[in-house]
Amino acid sequence: AQSVSQHNHHVILSEAASLELGCNYSYGGTVNLFWYVQYPGQHLQLLLKYFSGDPLVKGIKGFEAEFIKSKFSFNLRKPSVQWSDTAEYFCAESGKTSYDKVIFGPGTSLSVIP
Amino acid sequence: KAGVTQTPRYLIKTRGQQVTLSCSPISGHRSVSWYQQTPGQGLQFLFEYFSETQRNKGNFPGRFSGRQFSNSRSEMNVSTLELGDSALYLCASTPAGGTDTQYFGPGTRLTVL
Repeated sequence: AQSVSQHNHHVILSEAASLELGCNYSYGGTVNLFWYVQYPGQHLQLLLKYFSGDPLVKGIKGFEAEFIKSKFSFNLRKPSVQWSDTAEYFCAESGKTSYDKVIFGPGTSLSVIP
Repeated sequence: KAGVTQTPRYLIKTRGQQVTLSCSPISGHRSVSWYQQTPGQGLQFLFEYFSETQRNKGNFPGRFSGRQFSNSRSEMNVSTLELGDSALYLCASTPAGGTDTQYFGPGTRLTVL
């Protein structure tokens, strides 16, 4: 069965620190990969996605993620976090067809201390 | 375009009751997915509807059911509520499902007493 794991349940960083959130997926076929973010009191929204091509994808607010097929990983990175990045981050995967469902990881809560 | 709307936003029920939640997708979106969000579990996929047909289903008991109407609005129903059903229920819409970016609603917070 498809599954997505996220390495950290809760991460606490100081402003300007670098961020890397780990994500591993299990689907053995070709995949689409996503990072979604849920800011406090707001809807879940897309941060970035990988469908094909360059394995390094850039998203909103300075976030990027790297798809490493051999490691089944799609880690999220940001070189310098801000207090406003405090949020819950979810990694997700799906197959390539419209009939595939999207499977989410358990989420990582990020707290950025000013 | 208006976003995904969900009603009601908050609901309190007692064990054994049933509940119906509603989701109106973004105009033009034909796929609606439902998720249960709980602390530590993240988002658990319930089911997806596309053009009034259930196209995918997660690993939830039969007490959880849903449907989609011709205008793409969707409802989910939970019968014989249990304490463990307390959660935030999110719906997401996409133009066609699967590979598309999902647009989430604010969720319905269900509390079962």
